[in-house]
Amino acid sequence: DAKTTQPNSMESNEEEPVHLPCNHSTISGTDYIHWYRQLPSQGPEYVIHGLTSNVNNRMASLAIAEDRKSSTLILHRATLRDAAVYYCILRDVGGGADGLTFGKGTHLIIQP
Amino acid sequence: DADVTQTPRNRITKTGKRIMLECSQTKGHDRMYWYRQDPGLGLRLIYYSFDVKDINKGEISDGYSVSRQAQAKFSLSLESAIPNQTALYFCATSPLGAPDYEQYFGPGTRLTVT
Repeated sequence: DAKTTQPNSMESNEEEPVHLPCNHSTISGTDYIHWYRQLPSQGPEYVIHGLTSNVNNRMASLAIAEDRKSSTLILHRATLRDAAVYYCILRDVGGGADGLTFGKGTHLIIQP
Repeated sequence: DADVTQTPRNRITKTGKRIMLECSQTKGHDRMYWYRQDPGLGLRLIYYSFDVKDINKGEISDGYSVSRQAQAKFSLSLESAIPNQTALYFCATSPLGAPDYEQYFGPGTRLTVT
């Protein structure tokens, strides 16, 4: 799987939008962009994924750059429960070993 | 009830002991996975299984073995535990054949080897 780069940590205020960036300059045409988050003392939780177009679901939005070399996870109105480590993962579903390749992610801190 | 359950949730064992971690799922998924997480790091893949008869090694399989007893059950064994296998262990599932699937994780097992 191709490599992603994320900031180690970010801080935001409660009830404000949060934009979590991810760089993936070596992304291939068959790589999907997945986001997972891990709340304290829990297993990872799927957030959203996309290939080329921006995506929205009940948890977040995913904005993908036109050249696909970067993406941004958007939490529209952060709550204290959104404090977690967020992982940006590229997933090539074209073949090869299965499983997700996790980096260190971004530790999101939400201030009340 | 949780879709993916892991037992035990916490375990302390001694060096050289054999230990089994169990995972069960009610999602009806074919694919199951075992990951390990060390403090401050992301998860690393130990083993994965596409179905009962198809088991594959992941990134860090040395020192571990697995058994897929049924579609819903996937066990991870440490034949002779050592202290550097102290970690958080997560089981996950996903549907087979989906082109862009998501994985569903269990709550984790915290294993300490003394």
